[in-house]
Amino acid sequence: RKEVEQDPGPFNVPEGATVAFNCTYSNSASQSFFWYRQDCRKEPKLLMSVYSSGNEDGRFTAQLNRASQYISLLIRDSKLSDSATYLCVVSSGAGSYQLTFGKGTKLSVIP
Amino acid sequence: NAGVMQNPRHLVRRRGQEARLRCSPMKGHSHVYWYRQLPEEGLKFMVYLQKENIIDESGMPKERFSAEFPKEGPSILRIQQVVRGDSAAYFCASSPDDAGTGNTIYFGEGSWLTVV
Repeated sequence: RKEVEQDPGPFNVPEGATVAFNCTYSNSASQSFFWYRQDCRKEPKLLMSVYSSGNEDGRFTAQLNRASQYISLLIRDSKLSDSATYLCVVSSGAGSYQLTFGKGTKLSVIP
Repeated sequence: NAGVMQNPRHLVRRRGQEARLRCSPMKGHSHVYWYRQLPEEGLKFMVYLQKENIIDESGMPKERFSAEFPKEGPSILRIQQVVRGDSAAYFCASSPDDAGTGNTIYFGEGSWLTVV
């Protein structure tokens, strides 16, 4: 089983749509959870941290279910500029600095 | 305030040559990390360095790869005798004095290595 698994997509959605991404992780000792965004041939950039209580940042909502080892990201009112690959990232192991990345889910928002 | 600077951005090497990738962390950051992203794969942790010290190299291939972060100058990831499978994007990241987690490390734009 891969450490962090994501549906690779692509998700092709029209502008204004709501889209949800899911991610599962295998290490129950994982401590911190994040969603990153990566544009084509660019560096990954932090989108938001994910907490058990759930957190929202504008049109983006992230949720963590520790019991199911499951993380989600919801994007409302999709914009063309949201087109990117969304990376589920987990920090685990002896050093919290060591990030484990999923392969990413590709999103294309269509006019 | 300049971000994490990596160079070269693109590098082409023939099989058997050496590749040197450089990374200057953000100002005030003393912790450097290297990650590798193979085509169609997620980023994989390679190594964590502080000035003059390798803290964790558990993700480094056992042969041909080495990393350093000297007292003066950038961190360098060195790949000797490159093979086609080394073709990838190599990302450097840095964090401030405390070892970073996912929300306190900052990635450079990456160095794209192509081995022909």
